[in-house]
Amino acid sequence: EDQVTQSPEALRLQEGESSSLNCSYTVSGLRGLFWYRQDPGKGPEFLFTLYSAGEEKEKERLKATLTKKESFLHITAPKPEDSATYLCAPYTGRRALTFGSGTRLQVQP
Amino acid sequence: NAGVTQTPKFRILKIGQSMTLQCAQDMNHNYMYWYRQDPGMGLKLIYYSVGAGITDKGEVPNGYNVSRSTTEDFPLRLELAAPSQTSVYFCASSYSGLAGAYEQYFGPGTRLTVT
Repeated sequence: EDQVTQSPEALRLQEGESSSLNCSYTVSGLRGLFWYRQDPGKGPEFLFTLYSAGEEKEKERLKATLTKKESFLHITAPKPEDSATYLCAPYTGRRALTFGSGTRLQVQP
Repeated sequence: NAGVTQTPKFRILKIGQSMTLQCAQDMNHNYMYWYRQDPGMGLKLIYYSVGAGITDKGEVPNGYNVSRSTTEDFPLRLELAAPSQTSVYFCASSYSGLAGAYEQYFGPGTRLTVT
């Protein structure tokens, strides 16, 4: 059974204070990994797809990286508008995704 | 494109009532999904469909039914609502081709309370 663990569960940062979110997984046949952002009361919004170990993707203050066992979402100089829950989901080629429980990020001004 | 749309946004049901949550997408995606999300928890897959006329169970299918008669629509039916079905329901869709599945796009959700 696929297992996905995200840490920390919650993270509070000051504006400008960089940090990283972790997504670790135990799956067979990893073919990629998705990162999503979810604002309160809304559906998840797609951020990145990573396909192979060593790959990096960037979008504004976010950078996602992938290894064989985990993925990191680095947030550089975050702003209050980056506050959200960030979800990851490894993709194995099976039809259904297993999502992690997410990291709730709060960035204070 | 409207993307993935869901109706209603909110609903309160009494125990034992039934209802249908509507989902539609206009991106010509072949895959569609229904998830539920309980407070502070991750997304749990209820049912999914790989094309019109084809559906399959996910992780938590009990108490729900689906059908997919067209590419665009994927309604979720709740029969005999129970308090345990109080949750936020998300519909999603994705494209899947020879290279595998692509990212899923989510609707805005339906917040359901069963009392």
